Amino acid sequence: DGGITQSPKYLFRKEGQNVTLSCEQNLNHDAMYWYRQDPGQGLRLIYYSQIVNDFQKGDIAEGYSVSREKKESFPLTVTSAQKNPTAFYLCASSILTSGYNEQFFGPGTRLTVL
Amino acid sequence: QKEVEQDPGPLSVPEGAIVSLNCTYSNSAFQYFMWYRQYSRKGPELLMYTYSSGNKEDGRFTAQVDKSSKYISLFIRDSQPSDSATYLCAMSGGEYNFNKFYFGSGTKLNVKP
Repeated sequence: DGGITQSPKYLFRKEGQNVTLSCEQNLNHDAMYWYRQDPGQGLRLIYYSQIVNDFQKGDIAEGYSVSREKKESFPLTVTSAQKNPTAFYLCASSILTSGYNEQFFGPGTRLTVL
Repeated sequence: QKEVEQDPGPLSVPEGAIVSLNCTYSNSAFQYFMWYRQYSRKGPELLMYTYSSGNKEDGRFTAQVDKSSKYISLFIRDSQPSDSATYLCAMSGGEYNFNKFYFGSGTKLNVKP
């Protein structure tokens, strides 16, 4: 089955700790994205990557870091600099063309800071 | 002003009702308009997308885009309890990166049996 997997499903973090969220896709998509979802605020773009070893900041990149060492993988690290990290994190991927590119989403990771 | 505005609801309707969900936007350069459905604690899944203005129908779902008014709608006919979910509109296209999606905040729909 082709798709996007995210792990873990639930993650608990103590204040001051860095945590890394995993995102893997086997759709052979070039582009990958990380979004944060808070109640009543929809999806906000954290980082995106269009090619291996390259990524760009989205609208709310502060306190987050990413890497793209493999086409299939785009892990997100939530650092201690992120002041309010409790949220639902969604990873997505798409092909790259100049027209419409459907973004396929993973099942999400719910991060809670204790 | 947000790029995309969406009434958060919640919207509660009886089974069989016609549901209308709407979004407005400010960027006239948007060309692609999407509706995603998101069940509780799950990732969003694409319902429909439309290019530019016009209507698109898929079973009980109809998407409408009015670019002159910067207004898009999703209609659900004969709504079912299984339609209970949060519906997100999204848009892309324009002078920057075609792959950047702009999402509404989502409307939570509850269809009562």
